[in-house]
Parts: sequence; C-alpha cells; structure tokens
Amino acid sequence: DQQVKQNSPSLSVQEGRISILNCDYTNSMFDYFLWYKKYPAEGPTFLISISSIKDKNEDGRFTVFLNKSAKHLSLHIVPSQPGDSAVYFCAASEGGADGLTFGKGTHLIIQP
Amino acid sequence: GAGVSQTPSNKVTEKGKYVELRCDPISGHTALYWYRQSLGQGPEFLIYFQGTGAADDSGLPNDRFFAVRPEGSVSTLKIQRTERGDSAVYLCASSIGSSYNEQFFGPGTRLTVL
Repeated sequence: DQQVKQNSPSLSVQEGRISILNCDYTNSMFDYFLWYKKYPAEGPTFLISISSIKDKNEDGRFTVFLNKSAKHLSLHIVPSQPGDSAVYFCAASEGGADGLTFGKGTHLIIQP
Repeated sequence: GAGVSQTPSNKVTEKGKYVELRCDPISGHTALYWYRQSLGQGPEFLIYFQGTGAADDSGLPNDRFFAVRPEGSVSTLKIQRTERGDSAVYLCASSIGSSYNEQFFGPGTRLTVL
C-alpha cells in the first residue's frame, strides 16, 4: 500500500524548458513534504521542502506546490539544466520528526 | 564540512552470516535514521534515533534486524542470519533537530547476500 505515489517512472524534458514532477499521497496525517534528488551510487540530496500550512515554496529554480485538498504536490524546475538529470523522490512525514515515507521516484532526463 | 559517512560502501556476505553496517552522522545532529532501498523502489524507513534511544523502530522488518547508537553519535545496524532478500542499499541519514528538518543522507552501503 503505497502512501506516496509517483506515477511517472521517467520524464524527458528539453534543456531550458520547465520540468514538472508530480506526487500524490493518501495519508491525510502527512504535514511535511520534501523532494530529494539522487545520482547513481550516491545518497539522496535534499532539494526543497514544504509544510502543510503553505501551498508554495520557492528556492531558486525549484518551486514546490502543495494542493492539500487533492493530496497532490509537484516540483517545478525552470529552466531545466543537464545537471538536473537524476532520479527525484517525493517524501512525506507526520509531525516532521518521524521517518520519511518515499515514493518510487521519477527519473528525469534533460535532453540537449 | 563533513557529511554523513557510511562504511563499508559494499558488503558481500553469504546467506546465514551476520553483518554490521556503520553510520557516522553529521557532527551535532541529534536525530539519526536508517533506511533500506531495494532496486526500483524508494528508500524504506527502518528505525529512527533521537540521541541514544530508538524513538521509532516500527520499520524494522523482523527481529533479525537491530540497531544501536550507544553514545548518541555513531550508529550500527546489525543483521543476523542474513537472507538473500536482505540484499539492498542501506542508507543512513541525520538531521539537526527533532521536527521539520531536512534529513541529510550518506552514500549508502550496498549489501549483497549470496
């Protein structure tokens, strides 16, 4: 029973365009959401987070949107760069302190 | 500054053997987490320490798995009587406090049980 779902295993985007990665969750107790980026043979690297009291958080080229009523969040990367090619994981937690629940990831490929 | 380190980076063992995986968190981080990532999956939570005590071990799959953090810094994940299904990348993460802080991950230990 996947509580965090990333339904697109892969996504291909042209360099310079916007990348939009989607994530859905089923547990209404989740109140803190994070996006991680992972390169092969490395651990996940934190990108951006959002708490449930907000609907948008922005950091440079990365923006996360949260729609609580739809239990949906998305990560926007603009403009997309070749170094953005990686696997992106959506994660969530209850109360911020517990272990994170991760989705299966989306492999983003930025094409030149 | 130094990030989270994990040793060994790779471990190959035979079915039935005992293994220990080590994690050195970022200095000053009081929270420490262990995850397991199987092929094609996201990391799966195993156990969370706040200081020396295990605050949540609900993710440990069975009693063959055990973890300690005796001095509130380094942690060791111990797996007894390993099975082929234990093969995965074991990730450790640490965070600075107890609430709403991002977790910083180490590179992981790839465990292969033959």
